[in-house]
Amino acid sequence: EAQVTQNPRYLITVTGKKLTVTCSQNMNHEYMSWYRQDPGLGLRQIYYSMNVEVTDKGDVPEGYKVSRKEKRNFPLILESPSPNQTSLYFCASSPRDSLTEAFFGQGTRLTVV
Amino acid sequence: KQEVTQIPAALSVPEGENLVLNCSFTDSAIYNLQWFRQDPGKGLTSLLLIQSSQREQTSGRLNASLDKSSGRSTLYIAASQPGDSATYLCAVNGVGGYQKVTFGTGTKLQVIP
Repeated sequence: EAQVTQNPRYLITVTGKKLTVTCSQNMNHEYMSWYRQDPGLGLRQIYYSMNVEVTDKGDVPEGYKVSRKEKRNFPLILESPSPNQTSLYFCASSPRDSLTEAFFGQGTRLTVV
Repeated sequence: KQEVTQIPAALSVPEGENLVLNCSFTDSAIYNLQWFRQDPGKGLTSLLLIQSSQREQTSGRLNASLDKSSGRSTLYIAASQPGDSATYLCAVNGVGGYQKVTFGTGTKLQVIP
């Protein structure tokens, strides 16, 4: 089954404790992206990757890092999480451009206390 | 910077009614536009994708139109059903296809039986 898998689905952590949210797709898609969703602000793009070793900033990259060492994986790293990073995070992948045939993961709800 | 607006933020209609959801964007230089559906606690599901050269796309009871010059797209839902209740999001993709993606804040639709 074609899918984008995020882990964990739920995470509560403390300020400053480094964490990684994993994202994996099984469709050999070139394009992958991370978004955060906040009430009243909608989905905002954090980082995106057009292929292995090619990443670029979205609209809200501050406080986040990403890497794309393999085509299928695109982890999101929070080196020093802060409460303002409490949000619902989505990973997405697509075969060509950033929207065509896009698949989204189920989301990761992160709470930073 | 691209800005995407969806009006209304919420809509409640009786079952069977035809309805229109609106999406407007400030920069007409787009590659394509996608309408998504989001159910509570779940990820996004792609509905209709319109390339910048197209005027409309149809799938079943859904019809999406695009007027790039005026920066507008509409999603028409015919004969609404309670199962259509969800939040509907539109997203635009910048020129080139691999640019930043900008989402609207969504319209929450409730179809009353």
